[in-house]
Amino acid sequence: AQSVTQLGSHVSVSEGALVLLRCNYSSSVPPYLFWYVQYPNQGLQLLLKYTSAATLVKGINGFEAEFKKSETSFHLTKPSAHMSDAAEYFCAVSVTSGTYKYIFGTGTRLKVLA
Amino acid sequence: EAGVTQFPSHSVIEKGQTVTLRCDPISGHDNLYWYRRVMGKEIKFLLHFVKESKQDESGMPNNRFLAERTGGTYSTLKVQPAELEDSGVYFCASSQRSGDPYEQYFGPGTRLTVT
Repeated sequence: AQSVTQLGSHVSVSEGALVLLRCNYSSSVPPYLFWYVQYPNQGLQLLLKYTSAATLVKGINGFEAEFKKSETSFHLTKPSAHMSDAAEYFCAVSVTSGTYKYIFGTGTRLKVLA
Repeated sequence: EAGVTQFPSHSVIEKGQTVTLRCDPISGHDNLYWYRRVMGKEIKFLLHFVKESKQDESGMPNNRFLAERTGGTYSTLKVQPAELEDSGVYFCASSQRSGDPYEQYFGPGTRLTVT
């Protein structure tokens, strides 16, 4: 069975500081991994995805994530936080057995301090 | 291109009443998913349609929930009768059947409050 763990339900960073949101997964097969962001009163928007190509994945808004099989991790980073990055971030793994359904982590709410 | 739309955006009903949520996927997307997020918990899968057929309904909580996708276009999720624990945000997502079926496009969600 596949699962996702996001460490830290709330993360605060100062504007301009590094953003690091952690995601660890469990999967018996090569996973497809995703990061989504939800801004207030909006739906989930895809930030980036890993689909077994390059292990370092670049996404929108300056975010990137690195797939590390040995650590079963897919942490999300951004070198310099901006106030507009304040949102809730979700890591998800896609079940690759035909239904493509997602298993989500519990989400991390990012707060950016001025 | 229009995204995934959901209606209503909010619904407040009393315990025992019936509510129907609607999702319009992106045109041409054969895969349609329903998810739910109960407050403080993770977003959980409910079911998956391929066109009008239910591919996977393993996440449906109980038989008070009925999902349909007549004609393979929009989908409805009916809760009857609603219970307090059904409160949460219901998300709909869609994806292509070919190309990249793994990438799902989400709607804004319907916030359901059962009092």
